[in-house]
Amino acid sequence: NAGVTQTPKFRVLKTGQSMTLLCAQDMNHEYMYWYRQDPGMGLRLIHYSVGEGTTAKGEVPDGYNVSRLKKQNFLLGLESAAPSQTSVYFCASSYSTPHELFFGEGSRLTVL
Amino acid sequence: RKEVEQDPGPFNVPEGATVAFNCTYSNSASQSFFWYRQDCRKEPKLLMSVYSSGNEDGRFTAQLNRASQYISLLIRDSKLSDSATYLCVVNRVGTGNQFYFGTGTSLTVIP
Repeated sequence: NAGVTQTPKFRVLKTGQSMTLLCAQDMNHEYMYWYRQDPGMGLRLIHYSVGEGTTAKGEVPDGYNVSRLKKQNFLLGLESAAPSQTSVYFCASSYSTPHELFFGEGSRLTVL
Repeated sequence: RKEVEQDPGPFNVPEGATVAFNCTYSNSASQSFFWYRQDCRKEPKLLMSVYSSGNEDGRFTAQLNRASQYISLLIRDSKLSDSATYLCVVNRVGTGNQFYFGTGTSLTVIP
């Protein structure tokens, strides 16, 4: 019973490098989200998707891109990593209102 | 103004105590309400949904006051294992089924 799976769990990047975080869910959820969590800031929405082939910007989208080519997968890309993107990234999915969010275990990214 | 506001605490309470957390939300169009629990360096997990009539799950009671745009969580007979950060979460469909999070309230239960 996997739920929401994120890979990788940890990554260290140098400034300017690129990387992709993968989120996969096996619950047939329509909605998927990428959040970042920083101390004292709470969870902030980066991008989200309301269905396969759709994406939309959240509260803090700059420096990130996303794609949802398949319903079960939501990819978060960093084209040119910056130290300000050091954070814990959580992927989440939801069926629809009033259903709750299910989270992945998080991906800890450090940009040096 | 933030969508969801919580007292960050920390709350340090002895075992067996009753503790209450409060949360306010700014948008009256919000439709669904939740309390999540987050342990250190872990993902948030649903503690309970919050219904207009109020609801209880064992030692936990959640209340919603739509008129005042206020949500509460009451924990009775606190256990050491209740130590965590509690997140107030509000959902609204109009903006793509988005969820809005408070910054969390930290609880430490002391032996």
